[in-house]
Amino acid sequence: GAVVSQHPSWVICKSGTSVKIECRSLDFQATTMFWYRQFPKQSLMLMATSNEGSKATYEQGVEKDKFLINHASLTLSTLTVTSAHPEDSSFYICSALRGREGIKKLFFGSGTQLSVL
Amino acid sequence: RKEVEQDPGPFNVPEGATVAFNCTYSNSASQSFFWYRQDCRKEPKLLMSVYSSGNEDGRFTAQLNRASQYISLLIRDSKLSDSATYLCVVGLRGKLIFGQGTELSVKP
Repeated sequence: GAVVSQHPSWVICKSGTSVKIECRSLDFQATTMFWYRQFPKQSLMLMATSNEGSKATYEQGVEKDKFLINHASLTLSTLTVTSAHPEDSSFYICSALRGREGIKKLFFGSGTQLSVL
Repeated sequence: RKEVEQDPGPFNVPEGATVAFNCTYSNSASQSFFWYRQDCRKEPKLLMSVYSSGNEDGRFTAQLNRASQYISLLIRDSKLSDSATYLCVVGLRGKLIFGQGTELSVKP
């Protein structure tokens, strides 16, 4: 079964609205989660690293005020796309590290396809 | 130069064919190497880790050449179910860097 749950799978929204995507680790605590974005026919691009109890670390070129990340608990990280525009339409996917130091494995959520009209 | 670069593809092969994917990475400090498989609009799934000594898992063989900064994946006796996009992934300083992927289509 799934190790990381991501919700929703699909979102269609109007331009200007905000969209929240949830990423939950099931049966394990994830102090670190990652958020990626993937445009059609392109690679996954890391947007930010979400750290439980502290501020997220954003990659160069990713607007932190546009993509709000909250990692308030050890099993939940959320990504909010604020005032979404058509150019934000993309496949967003989260991942979480599971395991002990030196023996960690990365698990992905099932992804969220965002379409902004 | 892209950090991780793969063959552009797509590869269209008949069932039973052997297909090879190539990948190069730019940062010599890269620490870990993987091949992932991604089906359309789905999450990537780990196919195999890649070690310097080379490793095999059934029909799949992965090779790493650190000197050339080159990674390969060989699929033998390809099946229809192998059709997917194959992602070369490099780990560096706790982050994963993905190649753009090479699409494989296996035809009957």
